[in-house]
This record gives sequence, C-alpha cells and structure tokens, in this order.
Amino acid sequence: DAGITQSPRHKVTETGTPVTLRCHQTENHRYMYWYRQDPGHGLRLIHYSYGVKDTDKGEVSDGYSVSRSKTEDFLLTLESATSSQTSVYFCATQEGSRGGLETQYFGPGTRLLVL
Amino acid sequence: TQLLEQSPQFLSIQEGENLTVYCNSSSVFSSLQWYRQEPGEGPVLLVTVVTGGEVKKLKRLTFQFGDARKDSSLHITAAQPGDTGLYLCAGVANAGNMLTFGGGTRLMVKP
Repeated sequence: DAGITQSPRHKVTETGTPVTLRCHQTENHRYMYWYRQDPGHGLRLIHYSYGVKDTDKGEVSDGYSVSRSKTEDFLLTLESATSSQTSVYFCATQEGSRGGLETQYFGPGTRLLVL
Repeated sequence: TQLLEQSPQFLSIQEGENLTVYCNSSSVFSSLQWYRQEPGEGPVLLVTVVTGGEVKKLKRLTFQFGDARKDSSLHITAAQPGDTGLYLCAGVANAGNMLTFGGGTRLMVKP
C-alpha cells in the first residue's frame, strides 16, 4: 500500500473561516487527487495534480484551491468554509498516467464539519 | 444525475446468502474498477476490468464487464460478515480521462 497520510483527521470549524487539509505521500507517485465523499454521491473529484506546481480542476472545484510545492505534499484549501463543504475528504495518489487502468491509493480521510 | 448508477444503494443480508450489485451507465467506458471501503478508511481497489464481456474472479467475488462496456456487476457467493462495506464502481469514460465514481452500494452481512 502507498504510504498516504492526511491531516487533520477530524476538524470542526466555523462558516467563513479558511481551512487547509494536508495530504502526504511517501511513494513518489506523480498524480495526486482530492475527493469529497457525501452520502449517495460516491466520491467526487475536487482538484488533481499531475506534478509539482501542475494542478487542474475537477468536477466540484468551486470554493476550493490546491497547491503542490513538493512531490509528496498536496494541500487543499477551503478559502471561506461553508456548511455545504461539510464532508469527508479523501486524498488519493496514482503512480502513472494510464487513467482507469491504474490503482488509485487512498488516504484514511479527513472528516470536516463546518458549523 | 451520476454518470455511473449503482444499485441497490443498500443491501442487508444474512451470512451465507448470495448477492449481486450492479453498476450501470449510458456511456461507454474504456475500463471499470471496483473498490471496497470499510468504515473510517479509504477505498481499496478490488479489480479492474477492461474488455467487454470480461469476467474476473477474486475468491468468492465475481466481476463482470458488460459486452458493450456500459455496465458491470459484482456477485458475491456465500457472503460473510467480513464482506460488509461500501462497494464503489469507478471508470474512465471513452471521452474523458478522469476516474468517475458511482454512488456506491452499502452492504451489511449479518452473522
């Protein structure tokens, strides 16, 4: 299994505050992803990265930004948290570029509650 | 509307029963994957199917990719409590390059 850690694992915050979630990997995988998971919606892609400083938007990117200054770290920032961003956030990594033919390795998730 | 629709959304069965979970779409997929997720953890890949009509077996789990590559099924024989979890299908549509997930089937197997 890829060594993927996420921090914090749980966070409670208030509406309007900025929040940053961190994903750290030890496998030197090129691709990294941020998903959110909500009941009945499976996993929805927020942003992804295909290399250091190379990022792009996913399906549900509004209100989120990302940064990747090192191969091993991928940060997700909620610029001004809203209650609709209450969710479980998962980071994933993938070694290569062969889309659905490769394994995505997931972190343990961050449970975020926005009051 | 999700690109991949999974059914049923919830399934509660007794140990030893058989079950089938479905993943359907109107789009053609170049490949399809099945993941299992246990409470408090991230999803873990079970299998990838690539060819239309392909069947793969993983112990008591049988995965099938539809002939037209628009659907897939997961069949579990003699379910055990350890099979409990959320089963997610995911695929890359022919016209895209990102993995899209279905809404998931939550399975509970009672002893």
